[in-house]
Amino acid sequence: RKEVEQDPGPFNVPEGATVAFNCTYSNSASQSFFWYRQDCRKEPKLLMSVYSSGNEDGRFTAQLNRASQYISLLIRDSKLSDSATYLCVVTLSGGYNKLIFGAGTRLAVHP
Amino acid sequence: SAVISQKPSRDICQRGTSLTIQCQVDSQVTMMFWYRQQPGQSLTLIATANQGSEATYESGFVIDKFPISRPNLTFSTLTVSNMSPEDSSIYLCSVEANLNTEAFFGQGTRLTVV
Repeated sequence: RKEVEQDPGPFNVPEGATVAFNCTYSNSASQSFFWYRQDCRKEPKLLMSVYSSGNEDGRFTAQLNRASQYISLLIRDSKLSDSATYLCVVTLSGGYNKLIFGAGTRLAVHP
Repeated sequence: SAVISQKPSRDICQRGTSLTIQCQVDSQVTMMFWYRQQPGQSLTLIATANQGSEATYESGFVIDKFPISRPNLTFSTLTVSNMSPEDSSIYLCSVEANLNTEAFFGQGTRLTVV
């Protein structure tokens, strides 16, 4: 079983749609949780951290369920510029930020 | 934040040769990380590079194949040795600003081995 699992997609949605991505992680000792965005042929960049209480940043909402070891990302009012691959990332305890990446979910927003 | 300059951005290499990838950071960082991203796959950590000590390699990666240097707190190199077509991938270096916070990545090196 992969340490971080995501639906690879692609998700093809029209502009203005709401889309949700899910992610599960296998290690209950995981400490920190993130969503990164990776554009085609570019490096990953942090989209947002994920907290147990849930957090929102504009059109983006992230939630964490530690009991179910489940992370989600909701994008409202999709824009063409949201087209990218979204990577679910967890870190493990151990004194440094060892990132474990999911394979990513591809999103394609069309006019 | 941290700005990382990684080079080369891409290369096409003959099998059996070696390629050294460089990463320069605009600030001093304790740890630098080297990842590989194969086509359509997630990023996989190769090794963690500490200044002044030998790199720590993840399972499946060995120093003879991927030697790493970390001569100071702003610079690191990763060498892909005795390359084969299976080494064709994107290689990325990364640093973190503080523990368990945002990670910053170099622009990546797209390697094709023929």
